[in-house]
Amino acid sequence: DAGITQSPRYKITETGRQVTLMCHQTWSHSYMFWYRQDLGHGLRLIYYSAAADITDKGEVPDGYVVSRSKTENFPLTLESATRSQTSVYFCASSNSRVGTEAFFGQGTRLTVV
Amino acid sequence: AQSVTQLGSHVSVSEGALVLLRCNYSSSVPPYLFWYVQYPNQGLQLLLKYTSAATLVKGINGFEAEFKKSETSFHLTKPSAHMSDAAEYFCAVTKTSYDKVIFGPGTSLSVIP
Repeated sequence: DAGITQSPRYKITETGRQVTLMCHQTWSHSYMFWYRQDLGHGLRLIYYSAAADITDKGEVPDGYVVSRSKTENFPLTLESATRSQTSVYFCASSNSRVGTEAFFGQGTRLTVV
Repeated sequence: AQSVTQLGSHVSVSEGALVLLRCNYSSSVPPYLFWYVQYPNQGLQLLLKYTSAATLVKGINGFEAEFKKSETSFHLTKPSAHMSDAAEYFCAVTKTSYDKVIFGPGTSLSVIP
């Protein structure tokens, strides 16, 4: 299916475990983004990528790792999950033209217990 | 640095009444501005965007927004609220040089029958 898909949609993990959230887009968009959404904070940018093998930190990168070996995939890894990382995570993509909007996935609800 | 503020974390309107959601931005350069809507348990969808072509922008579902440079505002309006408009609304901004999108904290809209 065309679009941007995130997996899993829901995940419960224990403190200290490593967990990876997957994001896949079929448009060949250059830019991809990871946001977390928390009550009272809106969406905060974790990491973004301008192209394959090019990534950069956003507003709240600590505790997260990303990679972009292929244009269509942008996984987000929590190396050692903490309760403060309980959140809803959104992946988004946009093409390289300035001013174009971002397209969002359905989100992954992560709970760290 | 860019930032976006949305006055009012929660707005309630009666069905059929005017919807006004406020957004103010700060940017060192003329920005690109967006309004997104998020329905419960879903990702974000683009409502409309301003890219300097016209100051009054029309979007989907009867929404529109006016860019006012002198007021650094991009308020979202709809003449007559429907029950289906109940959702979270986010204002967002990007700089012209790259496509990192910065979101406001969001406004939750309730529509009262």
